[in-house]
Amino acid sequence: QVQLQQWGAGLLKPSETLSLTCAVHGGSLGGYYWSWIRQPPGKGLEWIGEIIHSGDSHYNASLDTRVTMSVDTSKNQISLRLRSVTAADTAVYYCARGQVVELEYWGPGILVSVSS
Amino acid sequence: EIVLTQSPATLSLSPGEGATLSCGASQSIGNYLAWYQQRPGQAPRLLIYDASSRATGIPARFGGSGSGTYFTLTISSLKPEDFAIYYCQHRSNWRLTFGGGTKVEIK
Repeated sequence: QVQLQQWGAGLLKPSETLSLTCAVHGGSLGGYYWSWIRQPPGKGLEWIGEIIHSGDSHYNASLDTRVTMSVDTSKNQISLRLRSVTAADTAVYYCARGQVVELEYWGPGILVSVSS
Repeated sequence: EIVLTQSPATLSLSPGEGATLSCGASQSIGNYLAWYQQRPGQAPRLLIYDASSRATGIPARFGGSGSGTYFTLTISSLKPEDFAIYYCQHRSNWRLTFGGGTKVEIK
């Protein structure tokens, strides 16, 4: 049974860097794509980007200049960094495992708030 | 970039009634579409992939259909736990998009 565990700082000040990690339990990183998705309070889902086990990554064009994703195959973990955050980046952040199209396993989500 | 448009935004129904949710794509996407259910305070849960295949453990009352630019999610008889928000989603060319969601609420 695949389970995703997420952690990271939940409260940031404007201009700081958001840093989240997602650990994969019960499965390997290889053969899937790994996405980060966020959801502002009361709003819909926004795709941030994806990465595969080789480290090849693709990002949402609206966030491309601020996002970096990485993979640590030795720890079976993926990470997200989002620089220069503002209040607009306040959201629940999810990691998820993807197949060709669909995201079949999701982490529980972590609320990140940006406030001065 | 593929844009997914869901309708209606809100569906008010009673338990036991059937629900039909729609998702339109801005260009043909074949059958490359997934549906998710999100209950309050929870992560989205995969219901349907490849437009019509139920994910593991999903009850038979959930059905998906469509191809090209028009897709539907049907719930044959709503149970109390089905009142939630539903999203459609597509991925191609290393980009993933979600529809805006349909909230199914108790009438």
